Formats: sequence, structure tokens, C-alpha cells
Amino acid sequence: RKEVEQDPGPFNVPEGATVAFNCTYSNSASQSFFWYRQDCRKEPKLLMSVYSSGNEDGRFTAQLNRASQYISLLIRDSKLSDSATYLCVVKVYGGSQGNLIFGKGTKLSVKP
Amino acid sequence: DAGVIQSPRHEVTEMGQEVTLRCKPISGHDYLFWYRQTMMRGLELLIYFNNNVPIDDSGMPEDRFSAKMPNASFSTLKIQPSEPRDSAVYFCASSTKQGDEKLFFGSGTQLSVL
Repeated sequence: RKEVEQDPGPFNVPEGATVAFNCTYSNSASQSFFWYRQDCRKEPKLLMSVYSSGNEDGRFTAQLNRASQYISLLIRDSKLSDSATYLCVVKVYGGSQGNLIFGKGTKLSVKP
Repeated sequence: DAGVIQSPRHEVTEMGQEVTLRCKPISGHDYLFWYRQTMMRGLELLIYFNNNVPIDDSGMPEDRFSAKMPNASFSTLKIQPSEPRDSAVYFCASSTKQGDEKLFFGSGTQLSVL
């Protein structure tokens, strides 16, 4: 089982739609969680952290379920500019990966 | 701020040739990471440095790959000899501490080995 798994998509949604992505992780020692965004042919950039109690940043809501070992990202009122690949990232202390493990990403395409 | 600077942006080479990728991290960042991204495998960590010292190179695929960081403002990733399966986007990233969730990535080098 891969350490961080995501549905690759693509998720094709109309503008204004609400869309949710899930991510599962295998290492129960995982400490922190994040979502990165990667535009086509660009570098990944940190979108937001994921806190245990859930957190919002504008139209974006991130949630964590430690018992089931999954993380979610909800995007409300989708914009064309939200089209990108969303990478789930897990921080594992003591690992050999520089501590951050990246998922392969979920591709979102928002259509007019 | 200039951000992490990588060169070249694109590299096309023939199998067997040596390839050198370059990276200048953000000034003051003590950690430098080299990643490789492909459709099949996603983003993989190859090696990372702390204060110019290689800490973990377990992600380096094989002896054909080598990385150096002669000083705090410059790192290279070399592939010799290159093979078609090395074709990928290579990203350099830097951060202020290990496991810092805010990695700053360079624009990447798109490598094509024919």
C-alpha cells in the first residue's frame, strides 16, 4: 500500500460547483497534513495546512479523520482559476523522506 | 525575493550523455531538496542537504545520479550516463528547517532523454 493515496481524477466540474477530494495515508505515526496546489507545468505551492479540528481558508475547507486515516479538501463555488492538481502531503517524523510524503495528486478541471 | 532558481528550464539530450541540473536556493534556507516528478510515480525525493551536507540520498535511483552542494547558494544534480527512463521534471526546493511544510520549489527542469 502506498504511503499517501489519492484519486487521480480528473474531476471535471462546472463553475460554481462544490467539489471534494479525499486522501488516505498508511502511516499512523503521521503527524501533520497539508494540501499543495500545482498548476499545469508549474511547481507545487503550499495551499493550506490541515488541522485536527478542521479549518477553512475562504472557499477551501480541509478536514482530518485520524481514526480512518484520511484527509479531505472541499472547494466551494469553484472558479476557473481553481483548475490545478491538488497534492496531499503528510509529514512523518523520523522518516527517510525528509519528513514530507507527497501523494500523486488529484486533477481538477473547472469548466465555464 | 528571487525564489529558488533552477537551470536550465528544459534539457533535451541523447542517451549516454551527461546532464547537469543546477539550483540556487533561497538565501538563508538551510535545507535543500531535489525531487523528481513523473506521471507514474508522482513527486519523489531524491536527496536532501542540510547546511550543504547530504543527509539522506536513499531516493537516488542508482549510481548514475550524483548531487553536490559546494556552498550554501548552489547545488547540482548530475546524471551520467543519462537514459530515456530518466526523463522527468526535476524540482529543487528549499526550506528553513527539516520537515517544514512550506517548501519553496523552483520552476523545475524538464528533462527529455532521447
